Amino acid sequence: DTGVSQNPRHKITKRGQNVTFRCDPISEHNRLYWYRQTLGQGPEFLTYFQNEAQLEKSRLLSDRFSAERPKGSFSTLEIQRTEQGDSAMYLCASSWLAGTYNEQFFGPGTRLTVL
Amino acid sequence: DQQVKQNSPSLSVQEGRISILNCDYTNSMFDYFLWYKKYPAEGPTFLISISSIKDKNEDGRFTVFLNKSAKHLSLHIVPSQPGDSAVYFCAASATQGGSEKLVFGKGTKLTVNP
Repeated sequence: DTGVSQNPRHKITKRGQNVTFRCDPISEHNRLYWYRQTLGQGPEFLTYFQNEAQLEKSRLLSDRFSAERPKGSFSTLEIQRTEQGDSAMYLCASSWLAGTYNEQFFGPGTRLTVL
Repeated sequence: DQQVKQNSPSLSVQEGRISILNCDYTNSMFDYFLWYKKYPAEGPTFLISISSIKDKNEDGRFTVFLNKSAKHLSLHIVPSQPGDSAVYFCAASATQGGSEKLVFGKGTKLTVNP
């Protein structure tokens, strides 16, 4: 399977704990995106990388959130001091931008529950 | 500020008939539009896209129409099949403006009845 993979698929944590999620993009894709989806909403953009450079961040990405893509391959998203409002599905996507056609391919997501 | 709107939370159609899902947008900088399908507990799956220089794009049973003057697009599925039952998201990006993020609507849940 050469699609986008995410681990873990589910994470339950207590408020105040730190969590880290991993995303492995499609191997030839140089762009990697993180989105967050809550119940009844569409995915909301958090941040994206071109290779290892983080090029855009949403204001949704508070100081407690940090994302890295150290070697331009996999990426990690860390949430420090989790809050109940952080409970959501965290989605990763990747793309190989050709001209203006930015078709992003999503992984299965990591569902975070903060108790 | 909801820049991409899907005003119908749900749609129910009979198998074999046409499904039409609608999407409106407010940002005139959007120049690329996509439709995604999502099953429960899975990530969104890319279906079809259209550039703002076109008004129609077709791929098998799926056709997307874009009306730039009305800032409206629609996805037609013909014929509809029970396996098409899912939540459909409309998304847009302003790639010429240098932003690669996708802005999504809230989705429309399609149910195709056998």
